[in-house]
Amino acid sequence: NAGVTQTPKFRVLKTGQSMTLLCAQDMNHEYMYWYRQDPGMGLRLIHYSVGEGTTAKGEVPDGYNVSRLKKQNFLLGLESATPSQTSVYFCASTITQSRVPGTDTQYFGPGTRLTVL
Amino acid sequence: AQSVAQPEDQVNVAEGNPLTVKCTYSVSGNPYLFWYVQYPNRGLQFLLKYITGDNLVKGSYGFEAEFNKSQTSFHLKKPSALVSDSALYFCAVRDLGDMRFGAGTRLTVKP
Repeated sequence: NAGVTQTPKFRVLKTGQSMTLLCAQDMNHEYMYWYRQDPGMGLRLIHYSVGEGTTAKGEVPDGYNVSRLKKQNFLLGLESATPSQTSVYFCASTITQSRVPGTDTQYFGPGTRLTVL
Repeated sequence: AQSVAQPEDQVNVAEGNPLTVKCTYSVSGNPYLFWYVQYPNRGLQFLLKYITGDNLVKGSYGFEAEFNKSQTSFHLKKPSALVSDSALYFCAVRDLGDMRFGAGTRLTVKP
C-alpha cells in the first residue's frame, strides 16, 4: 500500500493564479481531510469529506474548494491564490470503524509546500 | 469549543534522560486525545490516543501518555530519550466536532 499520497510536493504560484492539489489514498478509507500547517499554529482543518460525493467545511474554509468524486481521491482547489495561502498542506484519511465516532487514527500524506508570491 | 494547548514551543533533553511534552485540553464533552509526531519534511504519524479506560496509554516507539481529568492534561512521556526522538510533536483533541491540533512542541534530544 502506498498509503496517502499528495501531488505536487512543491508549487510556487503568483497572486491570482489557480491550482488543484490532489490527495489519493489506497486504504479504502471513508473520511478524508485537508489541513494547512503554519508556523506556531499547528494544523487547521480546511475541508473534509465523510464519503464519496460529500464535503463539509472545517475551521478555515475560505478561499478553498474541494471535491470528492471518487472515494480514493480528495481534491483541494485554490481559485485565486493569495499570499496568505502560503503554507504546507496536508491530506489525511481515516477508516470509520471505531465504536466511538471520531476516534479513528488519521493517516497523513507527506505534504505539499505552496508558496504564493 | 474544544482546544488544546502545548505550553512549550521547545523541549531540550539529553539522551538517556526522561522526557515530557506537555498538553492541556478544553472540551465540553468527553475528551478524545491524540499525540502525533512529525519528522522533517514528512506528514504526521500517529503515536497514541486516549478514548476511555486506563489513564496511562502506551503507544509507539516507547512513548506513553497520562490522562489527568482533574488537571485537564495529557502529557506525553518517555523514560529514556533517544536522539532519533527529535521531532515536532502535536497534541490533538476531539469531542463532538473536528480534530483540533495544538501548535506543536519541538523536541530536541542531544547526545
